[in-house]
Amino acid sequence: DAGVTQSPTHLIKTRGQHVTLRCSPISGHKSVSWYQQVLGQGPQFIFQYYEKEERGRGNFPDRFSARQFPNYSSELNVNALLLGDSALYLCASSWGNEQFFGPGTRLTVL
Amino acid sequence: SQQGEEDPQALSIQEGENATMNCSYKTSINNLQWYRQNSGRGLVHLILIRSNEREKHSGRLRVTLDTSKKSSSLLITASRAADTASYFCAPLPASGGSYIPTFGRGTSLIVHP
Repeated sequence: DAGVTQSPTHLIKTRGQHVTLRCSPISGHKSVSWYQQVLGQGPQFIFQYYEKEERGRGNFPDRFSARQFPNYSSELNVNALLLGDSALYLCASSWGNEQFFGPGTRLTVL
Repeated sequence: SQQGEEDPQALSIQEGENATMNCSYKTSINNLQWYRQNSGRGLVHLILIRSNEREKHSGRLRVTLDTSKKSSSLLITASRAADTASYFCAPLPASGGSYIPTFGRGTSLIVHP
């Protein structure tokens, strides 16, 4: 069975640009969460979606938005990129209390 | 949601030795999970311990939970170079709602061959 997949693997953008990151959960999982991990820190919670509804939102500015599609895949959008948005972005799908993480998207903002 | 705090921040040992990492949290929990992250990769779920359990084993991993002290420990026995990774704990609050694990800075473990 395929695990959680994320695309792209790596991405380089310029300040002020917009980025869209994608995530496909494990088949049958209806919940998707997004995390930002800056180098040297633990993952910080951004959003959680369940059945296309937002279930939770972390302490991130409105430049960050997300959505979940009918097939339970998800997109994370970040507008007006800042240098500080450079990080590893992790997606996780969950079954019960267990989360399964994807390999992440490494975003570099120049 | 609440965050677990891992200690120590970094741990360096020789292959074959045991590694112990600790986690502290602040409020009552339903369960607590441990994750491993290899450099720059996604997190891998290691083990879940429920609030009514005191100890749990999985292969070379042993997790303990002391709800009176609001702490947990992860012991890796007979460590291997492949155990080199960051380890995070994630407590699930007892208050219910959506499960949104929050992570501290983790413990960075280096196992020297």
